[in-house]
Amino acid sequence: SQQGEEDPQALSIQEGENATMNCSYKTSINNLQWYRQNSGRGLVHLILIRSNEREKHSGRLRVTLDTSKKSSSLLITASRAADTASYFCATNSGYSTLTFGKGTMLLVSP
Amino acid sequence: DGGITQSPKYLFRKEGQNVTLSCEQNLNHDAMYWYRQDPGQGLRLIYYSQIVNDFQKGDIAEGYSVSREKKESFPLTVTSAQKNPTAFYLCASRRTGGEQFFGPGTRLTVL
Repeated sequence: SQQGEEDPQALSIQEGENATMNCSYKTSINNLQWYRQNSGRGLVHLILIRSNEREKHSGRLRVTLDTSKKSSSLLITASRAADTASYFCATNSGYSTLTFGKGTMLLVSP
Repeated sequence: DGGITQSPKYLFRKEGQNVTLSCEQNLNHDAMYWYRQDPGQGLRLIYYSQIVNDFQKGDIAEGYSVSREKKESFPLTVTSAQKNPTAFYLCASRRTGGEQFFGPGTRLTVL
């Protein structure tokens, strides 16, 4: 079963704008991870946030986690055309597996 | 150059045939995973292995089989029992700490 649900399903913005994607999940987690997938390619790990963390930054990426609301958000600042991809959240509930959402498709237009 | 390789990139199969997808990693990771991705969907776990000579079923194991005879290799066989095998297949390995590293994928089409 897919625990994470991303919102929106698709997002279209202009270069330079910020992009925000949200992820909701159902059960308690050890950590939550965000991945990027370019069309027809494998996934690339972006950032991992643990259940005892509230915010994490990596370059132009900012991830927040609210365990009371069982939700996370991924913010990409000053987006570029190269950020065009699908973005997935994945939850780890203490076992060795991840449960992925269906993803948000981001289109950044020049 | 460390990473995960999957071959072939594209694979065509006739109905009723078994086919094996290759996955190799030189990252020295213990855990490896196979996922299936359908258009516009997320990843669904087929099988995973945490150590050599051991593996567990994921959410959609029916019609698939795996082996883990070497740490570096985790091949997936799509059998004729898999009713709808056309999909994009992704292999991954995991480092201690939780993040997974993915191969480039194999797109399987059943004719």
